[in-house]
Amino acid sequence: KAGVTQTPRYLIKTRGQQVTLSCSPISGHRSVSWYQQTPGQGLQFLFEYFSETQRNKGNFPGRFSGRQFSNSRSEMNVSTLELGDSALYLCASSRDNEQFFGPGTRLTVL
Amino acid sequence: KNQVEQSPQSLIILEGKNCTLQCNYTVSPFSNLRWYKQDTGRGPVSLTIMTFSENTKSNGRYTATLDADTKQSSLHITASQLSDSASYICVVSPTGGFKTIFGAGTRLFVKA
Repeated sequence: KAGVTQTPRYLIKTRGQQVTLSCSPISGHRSVSWYQQTPGQGLQFLFEYFSETQRNKGNFPGRFSGRQFSNSRSEMNVSTLELGDSALYLCASSRDNEQFFGPGTRLTVL
Repeated sequence: KNQVEQSPQSLIILEGKNCTLQCNYTVSPFSNLRWYKQDTGRGPVSLTIMTFSENTKSNGRYTATLDADTKQSSLHITASQLSDSASYICVVSPTGGFKTIFGAGTRLFVKA
């Protein structure tokens, strides 16, 4: 059974640009959550989607947005990138209270 | 306020030694408590998952314990290996659909 996949794995952008990250959950999982992890910080919750609806949202500015498609795949978008947005962005799919993480997308903003 | 605090922040041990990582939480009630291992630059991988009624759960050399009275959990690693060098994250999921709370993690370094 394939795990959670995220693309791209690495990304370099400059300030002011926007970026879209993609996540494909484990087959059969309908819940997808996104997290930001910066060096030395714990995982910071961004948002959770379930059946194409945002179910929970963390304390991030409106520049961070997401969506989920009918096949449960999810995308996360960050507009007007700032240096502080450099981080590892993790996606996790869930079923029956168990959460499985993808390998992450390492975003560097220059 | 729901919180999960882990200690120590970082730990250095010699290969072959045992160690115990701590997790104190204020989340109550909760549906499950999980321990994850995260290698540098990778996504976290689940080690153990315990419901509020369980006291212990093992996964190979990893044993997690849970004391619901004191709101503490620990992760014991036996006969450490170099590959155990990673961050270990304690995660608590409240009941009622509230957001999962992540600890900041303990960074473990295993030296030869």
